[in-house]
Amino acid sequence: AQSVTQPDIHITVSEGASLELRCNYSYGATPYLFWYVQSPGQGLQLLLKYFSGDTLVQGIKGFEAEFKRSQSSFNLRKPSVHWSDAAEYFCAVGHSGYALNFGKGTSLLVTP
Amino acid sequence: KAGVTQTPRYLIKTRGQQVTLSCSPISGHRSVSWYQQTPGQGLQFLFEYFSETQRNKGNFPGRFSGRQFSNSRSEMNVSTLELGDSALYLCASSSEGQGRNGYTFGSGTRLTVV
Repeated sequence: AQSVTQPDIHITVSEGASLELRCNYSYGATPYLFWYVQSPGQGLQLLLKYFSGDTLVQGIKGFEAEFKRSQSSFNLRKPSVHWSDAAEYFCAVGHSGYALNFGKGTSLLVTP
Repeated sequence: KAGVTQTPRYLIKTRGQQVTLSCSPISGHRSVSWYQQTPGQGLQFLFEYFSETQRNKGNFPGRFSGRQFSNSRSEMNVSTLELGDSALYLCASSSEGQGRNGYTFGSGTRLTVV
């Protein structure tokens, strides 16, 4: 069965520092991979997606993610974090004809 | 163009009652999915509709049901509400049924059962 693991429940970074959020998945074939962000009381906003091609994907708000097939990972990165990036981040896995399967989320706190 | 619209935004119901939530997808999107989000369980898939047909269903009791209309708008219904049904219910739409383009989420309906 599909599974998505986000090992870090909470992450704290200083404003201006770099960020990497981890995501590992378990699936028999290369799935569709997504990162979403959720601000308090809001729905989920799509940051970026991957389903084939270049393994380094650029998204909105300066985020990027790299698909590593050998490690079954799809980690999200940002070179310099802004205070407005504080939110909950979700990795999701999908495949043709199947529902999206979400990780438990990583809560990002940005300190001055 | 308008995003995914969910109504109402907030709802308070009493145990044993039933509730209907509504979702209007992005114009032209034919796939609508519903998720329940709680602090303990995270995001859990309820069901997906594509062109008025339920295509996928999550592991929820039969008290949870849904439907999709010919204009792609969708409703979900929860009967005999329990305290544990308190959650944020999110609707998401997609332009095609395979999900490669990702899903656009609404802001959700916050349901509180008392």
